[in-house]
Amino acid sequence: QKEVEQDPGPLSVPEGAIVSLNCTYSNSAFQYFMWYRQYSRKGPELLMYTYSSGNKEDGRFTAQVDKSSKYISLFIRDSQPSDSATYLCAMSVQVYGQNFVFGPGTRLSVLP
Amino acid sequence: DTAVSQTPKYLVTQMGNDKSIKCEQNLGHDTMYWYKQDSKKFLKIMFSYNNKELIINETVPNRFSPKSPDKAHLNLHINSLELGDSAVYFCASSKREAGTRREQYFGPGTRLTVT
Repeated sequence: QKEVEQDPGPLSVPEGAIVSLNCTYSNSAFQYFMWYRQYSRKGPELLMYTYSSGNKEDGRFTAQVDKSSKYISLFIRDSQPSDSATYLCAMSVQVYGQNFVFGPGTRLSVLP
Repeated sequence: DTAVSQTPKYLVTQMGNDKSIKCEQNLGHDTMYWYKQDSKKFLKIMFSYNNKELIINETVPNRFSPKSPDKAHLNLHINSLELGDSAVYFCASSKREAGTRREQYFGPGTRLTVT
């Protein structure tokens, strides 16, 4: 079993849809969870991060962590064509550590 | 004013050659990283480095070596290139301060093709 798994997609949704992106992980020691967005032929950029179970909201984005199920999600409300990208989850054992483990990414297309 | 820059953006070379990829960050960060992203988009850390500590992912062949002339630069040298080295290589940086989260800023990537 890979340490971090993610539905590779591609996922296509119409503009305005609610998108749910998910990752599961096997290492219960992970404490710090991140979502990165990667546009085609660009480097990943940090979208959201969270330390604990529960929800964290930032504009149209909500990150959700369920440590008991080893499951994290990113929800995008009112999706826009500009949200079309690959979304990578990442996590680390140490909250202030430097070695992140990335999921393989989910490619999202939001169709106008 | 690019935060993390890499050169070259594209690199096509033959098997057996030795090549280098350069990375520079102007964020004042003290920790830099190299990642490899393969064709299936898996992003895997290869090295993390600050002026005191080099952490090497044990799966990285010793043909790969990071070299840091100063805190703002971390170059990646690859010897005896192999077909399987074809991938996109990303440089990243972060600030190492106690109590701060390690947000990593990524460069635009270098697409290496070995023929």
